[in-house]
Amino acid sequence: GENVEQHPSTLSVQEGDSAVIKCTYSDSASNYFPWYKQELGKRPQLIIDIRSNVGEKKDQRIAVTLNKTAKHFSLHITETQPEDSAVYFCAGSYSGGGADGLTFGKGTHLIIQP
Amino acid sequence: NAGVTQTPKFRVLKTGQSMTLLCAQDMNHEYMYWYRQDPGMGLRLIHYSVGEGTTAKGEVPDGYNVSRLKKQNFLLGLESAAPSQTSVYFCASSRDFDQPQHFGDGTRLSIL
Repeated sequence: GENVEQHPSTLSVQEGDSAVIKCTYSDSASNYFPWYKQELGKRPQLIIDIRSNVGEKKDQRIAVTLNKTAKHFSLHITETQPEDSAVYFCAGSYSGGGADGLTFGKGTHLIIQP
Repeated sequence: NAGVTQTPKFRVLKTGQSMTLLCAQDMNHEYMYWYRQDPGMGLRLIHYSVGEGTTAKGEVPDGYNVSRLKKQNFLLGLESAAPSQTSVYFCASSRDFDQPQHFGDGTRLSIL
């Protein structure tokens, strides 16, 4: 199956600065990498995703980059705002051996300091 | 359009009691999933289903059973609740395994 490692577990940045969260994966056949944001007491919500045939994707202040050779992908948030404070999860798809789905990283608690 | 709906939202059980958590989706998704979320452990897959009448084990299936008799519903059962099953349970659904998963609001379950 897929193994997804996420770093750091906690990230504190000043409001207005950029934040970067990194994930590595083990299955070279993985082709789908979503990022979820979870606010305290709420459900995880998809914020951006990328497929293996694309190296970078942007949506306003959020971007994701993928390096297939190194098997890692990163979430970049620019001009951080207080509402960006949340836990962020990365995930990678897997398929094979009679099982398929997403494997999630353990999450990064992003704290935006005023 | 409700998306994914979970019931109940909160529940307190005594050790040894049984209960069923219900998940319903209105997006005609084939795949449905049950996760548990514990502090520092992320989302761990309990069981999942790739279509009506099918179920499969995930990463942490012990102590849980599931059923998918109708495409829109996925039930998670605890036959004999244990304190270690105290957690927040999330249901999700997706069109395929490599498509976005849509989550419900979660069920907070405490086992005393």
